[in-house]
Amino acid sequence: GQNIDQPTEMTATEGAIVQINCTYQTSGFNGLFWYQQHAGEAPTFLSYNVLDGLEEKGRFSSFLSRSKGYSYLLLKELQMKDSASYLCAVRVSGNTPLVFGKGTRLSVIA
Amino acid sequence: DTAVSQTPKYLVTQMGNDKSIKCEQNLGHDTMYWYKQDSKKFLKIMFSYNNKELIINETVPNRFSPKSPDKAHLNLHINSLELGDSAVYFCASSLSGGGPNIQYFGAGTRLSVL
Repeated sequence: GQNIDQPTEMTATEGAIVQINCTYQTSGFNGLFWYQQHAGEAPTFLSYNVLDGLEEKGRFSSFLSRSKGYSYLLLKELQMKDSASYLCAVRVSGNTPLVFGKGTRLSVIA
Repeated sequence: DTAVSQTPKYLVTQMGNDKSIKCEQNLGHDTMYWYKQDSKKFLKIMFSYNNKELIINETVPNRFSPKSPDKAHLNLHINSLELGDSAVYFCASSLSGGGPNIQYFGAGTRLSVL
């Protein structure tokens, strides 16, 4: 089976930096995705990694190590609006649907 | 214009009823998906269609029947609704082939079976 693990909940302070980790054990690998989901809303795409290394996009960065089956999402200069669930997902092969982790619920406090 | 749109947004119905959820995308994508998100917020694939053809059918009761009249639409019909069907159902779409093929999600349909 496919297994994707991420912490269930995290809390961080406004203006700080937070790192959300994700580990995966899947039968194949064709890309890792991070999505943000606010309560009651649709998941929205944040980042994509298929090669090892860091991808930076504004306040958000995502890192991938394929040999370790590990990724993290880094959020800088946290804002209250960043309070949401962050979903790690792996595409196992080709154009197959994404396999999602259970999400990390991030609370940003003043 | 909404890229991936689902209707209805909320659906409250009795056990045993039959209901449909509609999904349309205007992104020119050739692949569409249905995901189910349960009360624990776990998002799980149900079906995947590429160019109107079913390519993925996860372990889903056959009370659930997807239909894709064309590449831009993927509807979900559910027969004999059960309490356990209560969840949020998300439609998504993407391109196929090489590249990231990012999946874009609709706003979700919140189904409550009473």
